[in-house]
Amino acid sequence: DTAVSQTPKYLVTQMGNDKSIKCEQNLGHDTMYWYKQDSKKFLKIMFSYNNKELIINETVPNRFSPKSPDKAHLNLHINSLELGDSAVYFCASSHPSPGTRKIGELFFGEGSRLTVL
Amino acid sequence: GENVEQHPSTLSVQEGDSAVIKCTYSDSASNYFPWYKQELGKGPQLIIDIRSNVGEKKDQRIAVTLNKTAKHFSLHITETQPEDSAVYFCAASTAGANSKLTFGKGITLSVRP
Repeated sequence: DTAVSQTPKYLVTQMGNDKSIKCEQNLGHDTMYWYKQDSKKFLKIMFSYNNKELIINETVPNRFSPKSPDKAHLNLHINSLELGDSAVYFCASSHPSPGTRKIGELFFGEGSRLTVL
Repeated sequence: GENVEQHPSTLSVQEGDSAVIKCTYSDSASNYFPWYKQELGKGPQLIIDIRSNVGEKKDQRIAVTLNKTAKHFSLHITETQPEDSAVYFCAASTAGANSKLTFGKGITLSVRP
């Protein structure tokens, strides 16, 4: 069973459109993330949610709106897509290291490649 | 905020040789340093991590060393194999469960058969 699954894997769309990427984790983790990986492989955090509550919101345009209906899901909706939004978007989840309140391993999905034409 | 620098950006080694990847960080409050491996078409996967109360950690062919005074840490891979070819990311954060992990820019390691 896939631990962190994202859909769709590939998304090609026109500038100005609105699109969503869905993410689900079956690991029982409390914290979920969205990362953006650009063409140079640079991984940058966008958002982090803990138990449906927004924890981290980096300087991301408000065209990007994450939604967490429950702690196992964190979806990403993007309005008015721009060329610069083309990237691979990774969802991840994590849980504190066992027996501690320390940051633990991040489990990443396989990524969703978004191409804006 | 934290800034993580990683070098070199590409590294090519002969199968069987060792590979060393170095990272520096800027925030002296950081105390958790994981390394992630990303294979083509996949998401990054944790391969080893170190917390600031230790200076070195080893797991089979991979090891990580940490120098908190100099704010740098390194990944060492011995007896490299073609399947070690991938992009490797170092990262740094503070220890709290909701801390933000800042990644380096990644290094592409190629192991020549």
